[in-house]
Amino acid sequence: DTGVSQDPRHKITKRGQNVTFRCDPISEHNRLYWYRQTLGQGPEFLTYFQNEAQLEKSRLLSDRFSAERPKGSFSTLEIQRTEQGDSAMYLCASSLLIVVDTQYFGPGTRLTVL
Amino acid sequence: AQSVTQPDIHITVSEGASLELRCNYSYGATPYLFWYVQSPGQGLQLLLKYFSGDTLVQGIKGFEAEFKRSQSSFNLRKPSVHWSDAAEYFCAVGAPSSNTGKLIFGQGTTLQVKP
Repeated sequence: DTGVSQDPRHKITKRGQNVTFRCDPISEHNRLYWYRQTLGQGPEFLTYFQNEAQLEKSRLLSDRFSAERPKGSFSTLEIQRTEQGDSAMYLCASSLLIVVDTQYFGPGTRLTVL
Repeated sequence: AQSVTQPDIHITVSEGASLELRCNYSYGATPYLFWYVQSPGQGLQLLLKYFSGDTLVQGIKGFEAEFKRSQSSFNLRKPSVHWSDAAEYFCAVGAPSSNTGKLIFGQGTTLQVKP
C-alpha cells in the first residue's frame, strides 16, 4: 500500500498527558498537511510542510501543539498537556509540490482525552 | 477570505434515486474545487476535482459535479444512488493564489440511503 499512513489509529489519554502522532506521506510527495476534524465538522487546517520546512501554522495550533518533519519524510504532531477540547480526528494529507494539487489523506488518528 | 457552505447537513434518498449535494463557495476568483467522501472512522477519499476547463467534471463511483461561476456553486450529482454511497461528503476549495495549497472545507453533508 503506497498511500498515506498514520499511527496510531486511536489514542485514549488522560487530561494533562502528552501524545504524539505519526504520519507517513506518499513517498514522492513534497507537501504534507495536518488537519483537525471534530464531530459534525469538516477538517480544519492546522499546519503545512514543504519538504522539511514548516511554512504555515493556523491560529488553531496553540503553543501546546508542535509538528516536525525531519528530513522531509514522515511527520510527527505532538500535543502537550492535553485538554478535553483536543479530542478530535487528526488527519494527515500529502501532495506534490504544485500550487494547489490533489491532497491524499490518511485514515486519521482518533484522539480521546478523558 | 475563502469559505465553503454546504447548506444540507443531512440528506436521505432512496436507493436508485438521483442525488444532488449542494456546495457554495466564497472566493474572489475561480478557486480549485474538490469533493471528498468519508466513511465512518475513515480518512477522506477524493471523488473529483475542478481546476479549469470543462465545467462538468466526472469522478469516481459514477459521481459528477458542475462548476457554475455565476452561482459560485459546485454541486455534486449522481443519477442513481447505491446503498454503499451512504457516507459523509465534503466540498473543499483551494486558492490558486495561495503558496500553501491548503484546503478550506465545508461542514459536510451526511447521506443516508433508504433500501
